[in-house]
Amino acid sequence: EDQVTQSPEALRLQEGESSSLNCSYTVSGLRGLFWYRQDPGKGPEFLFTLYSAGEEKEKERLKATLTKKESFLHITAPKPEDSATYLCAVLNDYKLSFGAGTTVTVRA
Amino acid sequence: DADVTQTPRNRITKTGKRIMLECSQTKGHDRMYWYRQDPGLGLRLIYYSFDVKDINKGEISDGYSVSRQAQAKFSLSLESAIPNQTALYFCATSEAGYNYGYTFGSGTRLTVV
Repeated sequence: EDQVTQSPEALRLQEGESSSLNCSYTVSGLRGLFWYRQDPGKGPEFLFTLYSAGEEKEKERLKATLTKKESFLHITAPKPEDSATYLCAVLNDYKLSFGAGTTVTVRA
Repeated sequence: DADVTQTPRNRITKTGKRIMLECSQTKGHDRMYWYRQDPGLGLRLIYYSFDVKDINKGEISDGYSVSRQAQAKFSLSLESAIPNQTALYFCATSEAGYNYGYTFGSGTRLTVV
């Protein structure tokens, strides 16, 4: 059975304090690893897809990397508007399986 | 208008009542999904549909049923609601193939009392 574990559950950062979120996974037949951002009261919003070990994607202050067993979401010099829950998900043959998420709070 | 619209946004219902959550999309995607989200558990798949004539159970389908009325519409029903079905429910769509993420609606917050 596919398993996705995210850590830490919560992360409190000072504005400008860079950090990383971890997503470890076990899946048979990985078709892709996805990162989403979710704001309170809203649906998840797509950020990145990674397909193979060594791949990296960047968007503004966010950078996602992938190894054979885990993915990292690096937040560089975060701002208060980066506060959200970040979800990791793996795609097998037909569905996305999600981790529980990391809630990031960035204080000004 | 949103790409994926869910109605209602919030609903409080009593134990034993039948309730329907509706989802419509303007993305033109064939694939549609229903997930529920609970604190600490993440998003779990209830049902999914790859086209109008295709309905499949997800990992937590007991107590739920779905109807795919058209390519753009996918409804979730709770036949007899119970308090542990209190959760945030999301509808999502995707294109066929492995390269695409899902587009999610804004969710329905359901409370069963």
